[in-house]
Amino acid sequence: GENVEQHPSTLSVQEGDSAVIKCTYSDSASNYFPWYKQELGKGPQLIIDIRSNVGEKKDQRIAVTLNKTAKHFSLHITETQPEDSAVYFCAIPNKFYFGSGTKLNVKP
Amino acid sequence: GAVVSQHPSWVICKSGTSVKIECRSLDFQATTMFWYRQFPKQSLMLMATSNEGSKATYEQGVEKDKFLINHASLTLSTLTVTSAHPEDSSFYICSARDRGGEKLFFGSGTQLSVL
Repeated sequence: GENVEQHPSTLSVQEGDSAVIKCTYSDSASNYFPWYKQELGKGPQLIIDIRSNVGEKKDQRIAVTLNKTAKHFSLHITETQPEDSAVYFCAIPNKFYFGSGTKLNVKP
Repeated sequence: GAVVSQHPSWVICKSGTSVKIECRSLDFQATTMFWYRQFPKQSLMLMATSNEGSKATYEQGVEKDKFLINHASLTLSTLTVTSAHPEDSSFYICSARDRGGEKLFFGSGTQLSVL
């Protein structure tokens, strides 16, 4: 299968709702899991990351959870705002594996 | 986090000309930088790894004579698209690892349009 699978490909939520994006990976040796936000016409920006010795990490409205047994990690955005609208990518950087991206649309 | 600066942000050129894109690490030294290509609505595709003071390593299917990479200093890598053709039109992005060697930080990207 794919080295890293990301779902969903598109996500539309109402302002104030939560959004969850999930990535599943195959390499059990991976130990660092970042999420990137890419706005139109710009490069990806690191927004949060987690290492394999931690199950969850939170930074204000953004959180990342990791399940090493199941080999998946998820991005959680709470109280979404229109400026959260962008494409979000997960990655396994040491292997240069990138998820296919999720286009998040937050409707005002 | 580390800052990676990429220029230009967009460029339009005629078919057959060459275009140079610069990638700089502003507040750290990057012995290795990476170049990607991104098509609309798609993910990043690694093109090559740029190594300071030595030859770049290209991914399978990437023409090294078409995409020339020079990493002459610890803070600068350049990608030159030679004899550009319309099919080379794309969004090109560079990245570098921070001092810890784990995190990847990206440049702002360059939109290349070849007429």
